[in-house]
Amino acid sequence: DVVMTQSPLSLPVTLGQPASISCRSSQSLVHSDGNTYLNWFQQRPGQSPRRLIYKVSNRDSGVPDRFSGSGSGTDFTLKISRVEAEDVGVYYCMQGTHWPWTFGQGTTVEIK
Amino acid sequence: QVQLVESGGGLVKPGGSLRLSCVTSGFTFSDSYMSWIRQAPGKGLEWLSYISGSSADTKYAGSVKGRFTISRDNAKKSLYLQMDSLRVEDTAVYYCVRGAPSAGSWGQGALVTVSS
Repeated sequence: DVVMTQSPLSLPVTLGQPASISCRSSQSLVHSDGNTYLNWFQQRPGQSPRRLIYKVSNRDSGVPDRFSGSGSGTDFTLKISRVEAEDVGVYYCMQGTHWPWTFGQGTTVEIK
Repeated sequence: QVQLVESGGGLVKPGGSLRLSCVTSGFTFSDSYMSWIRQAPGKGLEWLSYISGSSADTKYAGSVKGRFTISRDNAKKSLYLQMDSLRVEDTAVYYCVRGAPSAGSWGQGALVTVSS
């Protein structure tokens, strides 16, 4: 199985400051169809996960533009340009290129 | 808007069976791949299975293959997960999810507890 490794696992951030989460895969996530199926999800406390970013860098409808995704191959990043209180939660990367599709361990974002 | 509502969770003994249901609305169900993803208490996410719109294409994670069966009824816009030979380690919140591998929409989850 493809192993997704996130870092850091815990990220204390000051309100208004930027935050960055790294996600590395054990294999290239470029699919034979040319797409790279790397998604990012946010799970707020007590809620279901919500997709933020799909196929590396495409922001979902309703997701604030302070969230952005980038990367290629095996190295990916989720950035929050200015953290707000509502961004507290756990963030997961997930690969949908190689079955079984797998998630990273999660990164907990908290306010300092 | 898209809605996914799971039901059927509960407490079951090891070796027992349970069937989860997910009723959907707000999108063309028959055209959509659907999935089940679970989350053990305080743990991360595990993609269990997906099914194509026509039911012709299904896949299972190794941890549930041969024990769980995914199915759907397009007339009822519903997704199902039949879970047999349940183990203590199957205790989790089970999410009904639209899309594979897109996972664009999630239900609120159904808690399944496997305990003697």
